[in-house]
Amino acid sequence: TQLLEQSPQFLSIQEGENLTVYCNSSSVFSSLQWYRQEPGEGPVLLVTVVTGGEVKKLKRLTFQFGDARKDSSLHITAAQPGDTGLYLCAGGSNQGGKLIFGQGTELSVKP
Amino acid sequence: DTAVSQTPKYLVTQMGNDKSIKCEQNLGHDTMYWYKQDSKKFLKIMFSYNNKELIINETVPNRFSPKSPDKAHLNLHINSLELGDSAVYFCASSQDRGRLVGNTIYFGEGSWLTVV
Repeated sequence: TQLLEQSPQFLSIQEGENLTVYCNSSSVFSSLQWYRQEPGEGPVLLVTVVTGGEVKKLKRLTFQFGDARKDSSLHITAAQPGDTGLYLCAGGSNQGGKLIFGQGTELSVKP
Repeated sequence: DTAVSQTPKYLVTQMGNDKSIKCEQNLGHDTMYWYKQDSKKFLKIMFSYNNKELIINETVPNRFSPKSPDKAHLNLHINSLELGDSAVYFCASSQDRGRLVGNTIYFGEGSWLTVV
């Protein structure tokens, strides 16, 4: 069974701080995605990483895929209150079309 | 225009009732999904349809029955509702199945089901 574990589950920080969220598995994934979900809404795709060691940047967000394609991280620089939300990593399973999600990291950025 | 829309957004119902959640996508996608998000925010796939054909059916009680009248619609009917069915149900769609790269999955806003 493919599983993704995210840490931390909850994170409360002050505006301007940096943070990193981790997504780990014992399984290899062909690609991995990060989503952000705001209260009362569905998840929205932020990025897809495909190649081991790949790094992608989206403004203040930096995403990295582990060399072995078993883990990923999301780093936010100078967090802002607008970054508050639930961050989910998801991997493509070996059963086509099925996304396996981590349990999420709830981020709260206080002004 | 909302890309993936589902109704109702909120539903409070008693145990034992039967209820349906409707979903429509106007993106012209071939694949639609139902996901369930529990109280701990864990999101898990329930069903996936491709061009009205069921392609993924996770270990879901057979009280849950999806129906796809056409590729733009995927409804979820739930019989004999139980307390444990309380969750947020998300409909989603994507152009293709079986790959993530270049195949964004778009989620609806969710239907919040509370069984009392």
